[in-house]
Amino acid sequence: EMRLLQSGGHLGQPGGSLRLSCAASGFTFSDTAMGWVRQAPGKGLEWVSGISSSGGGTYYADSVKGRFSVSRDNTKNILYLHLNNLRADDTATYYCVKGYGLFDSWGQGTLVTVSS
Amino acid sequence: VLTQSPATLSVSLGERVSLSCRASQNLVTNLAWYQQKPGQAPRLLISGASTRATGVPARFSGSGSGTHFTLTISSVQSEDVAVYYCQQYINWPPWTFGQGTRVEVK
Repeated sequence: EMRLLQSGGHLGQPGGSLRLSCAASGFTFSDTAMGWVRQAPGKGLEWVSGISSSGGGTYYADSVKGRFSVSRDNTKNILYLHLNNLRADDTATYYCVKGYGLFDSWGQGTLVTVSS
Repeated sequence: VLTQSPATLSVSLGERVSLSCRASQNLVTNLAWYQQKPGQAPRLLISGASTRATGVPARFSGSGSGTHFTLTISSVQSEDVAVYYCQQYINWPPWTFGQGTRVEVK
């Protein structure tokens, strides 16, 4: 069974940094593109970032480009999202997703709150 | 841009409902539908505009191509209360979602 297990909730300050993690199991992680989708409170879904299976290709939404960085450790089957220069409008539940474009498995979500 | 309608559907149990998703450009059949139940992560329902994902009940069906797509629930059950999102995956990045349609039971 495919599973994506995300780290717990985070509280960050404006201008600060956080790191989210997502542990994958039940499929060949090193052969699979991965990504992140977020959902602000009471709002819809927004794709944030994607990374190729090798990690050699990374992609970002304009809203986070230059501030967020996606990476992966294929030896540990873990996906990361590094959030820098946090803003209040980054407050959202962040979902780890399996796949490029078609997201056939989702993590349980991690709530990130940005507040001073 | 993906535009979903209506924003909210209030339906009776057993009723047949159709949700619409219109695209601003030709997606061919590169469209997916996701279901998000209250307090849960989204899950993939339909890919390729009409192919049900593993484990999705047969009462869910998808249709359409090009710029107009429809998700139909043939007989709404109480467990179908959710927000439904369409998503395009022909033009990337970014991959984009519609704003969602909320299905409620009267």
